[in-house]
Amino acid sequence: SQQGEEDPQALSIQEGENATMNCSYKTSINNLQWYRQNSGRGLVHLILIRSNEREKHSGRLRVTLDTSKKSSSLLITASRAADTASYFCATDVGDYKLSFGAGTTVTVRA
Amino acid sequence: ETGVTQTPRHLVMGMTNKKSLKCEQHLGHNAMYWYKQSAKKPLELMFVYNFKEQTENNSVPSRFSPECPNSSHLFLHLHTLQPEDSALYLCASSHHSGSMNEQYFGPGTRLTVT
Repeated sequence: SQQGEEDPQALSIQEGENATMNCSYKTSINNLQWYRQNSGRGLVHLILIRSNEREKHSGRLRVTLDTSKKSSSLLITASRAADTASYFCATDVGDYKLSFGAGTTVTVRA
Repeated sequence: ETGVTQTPRHLVMGMTNKKSLKCEQHLGHNAMYWYKQSAKKPLELMFVYNFKEQTENNSVPSRFSPECPNSSHLFLHLHTLQPEDSALYLCASSHHSGSMNEQYFGPGTRLTVT
């Protein structure tokens, strides 16, 4: 069953601007992961944050996790046209299974 | 390249056909997964294999039949499908480890059932 839900469903920004998307989930997690999917392709793992971590950075990506609110955010700074994609959060609740949300579609305008 | 390959990339089949999707991973992982992705829906986990043993069958209809002959290969056998089965089918793999279950995805097979 679906665990994570991303917000907003779609986001359109100008190149160079920052993009922020949020993920809410319902049950306790081991970790939360963010993935990117370019149109019609497979998902690519971006970043993993453990349940005992609050913030993590990877290049232009910044992820936060608030387990008390059961929410996470993904910030992409200084966006580029190549960042145009769908972004999914996935919660790891154990047993090697991930539960994905429906995704946020990000369009970066040149 | 993620180290996970899928063939074919596109497949059109009639409802009476039998076809198979193939997935291969070159990452030394021992868990493999089949997902279904339909338009505007979350990814649906279909099957999980861990060390070649099926550990999850997420209420998938029997017209989908998985096979995992070894830790590197995963098949999805299809027969008498319905038009609503048209979707992107994604294979993924991960390493058998405690709390770090990063999954690596193949490019997917775009299936159209006519």
